[in-house]
Amino acid sequence: NAGVTQTPKFQVLKTGQSMTLQCAQDMNHEYMSWYRQDPGMGLRLIHYSVGAGITDQGEVPNGYNVSRSTTEDFPLRLLSAAPSQTSVYFCASSRRSVGIYTDTQYFGPGTRLTVL
Amino acid sequence: KNEVEQSPQNLTAQEGEFITINCSYSVGISALHWLQQHPGGGIVSLFMLSSGKKKHGRLIATINIQEKHSSLHITASHPRDSAVYICAVRFYGGATNKLIFGTGTLLAVQP
Repeated sequence: NAGVTQTPKFQVLKTGQSMTLQCAQDMNHEYMSWYRQDPGMGLRLIHYSVGAGITDQGEVPNGYNVSRSTTEDFPLRLLSAAPSQTSVYFCASSRRSVGIYTDTQYFGPGTRLTVL
Repeated sequence: KNEVEQSPQNLTAQEGEFITINCSYSVGISALHWLQQHPGGGIVSLFMLSSGKKKHGRLIATINIQEKHSSLHITASHPRDSAVYICAVRFYGGATNKLIFGTGTLLAVQP
């Protein structure tokens, strides 16, 4: 299994440009999430999905869109890039939780995005 | 204010030392995760705890629900343990995917 894959690994954008960060997993996980990691701050949840066709907002959703048309893929769209979106983005997936527990999270390798 | 606090923020140890990293949180949780992030950036899940203690190799994780505190111990530390260790929690009532992360502890183990 490839696990969780993300593309691209690096990206430089100009302010106002749009782009899509790709995330795919081959473990048949129902839960997928997008996080951003900034210096001095913990990972912060942008959007998440509990299954195909179901998405919800996390802590910092503004400026980002997601969709989940298949179990495998969970792309993150930046609508109009801003310098404040310069960050490292991680995608993660996990199995459906049993009861109140959260199952092991599997992370992608990350995408380092710079917005000029 | 971050609801998950880790200490210390930075830790330097000599090879072979016993290491403890702490995590405290503000309200009741249903699960706590310990993660490792290597210098290359990849993040790996080490443990998921809801009570008691777990051990994997030289790593031991404990949690005290009443005191809202967890510790990650590394026995016989080695330079390859150098990484950022991150604590994350799911608060009671939180959606399944909603983990709140600490800012991490940067560990450097010197030979």
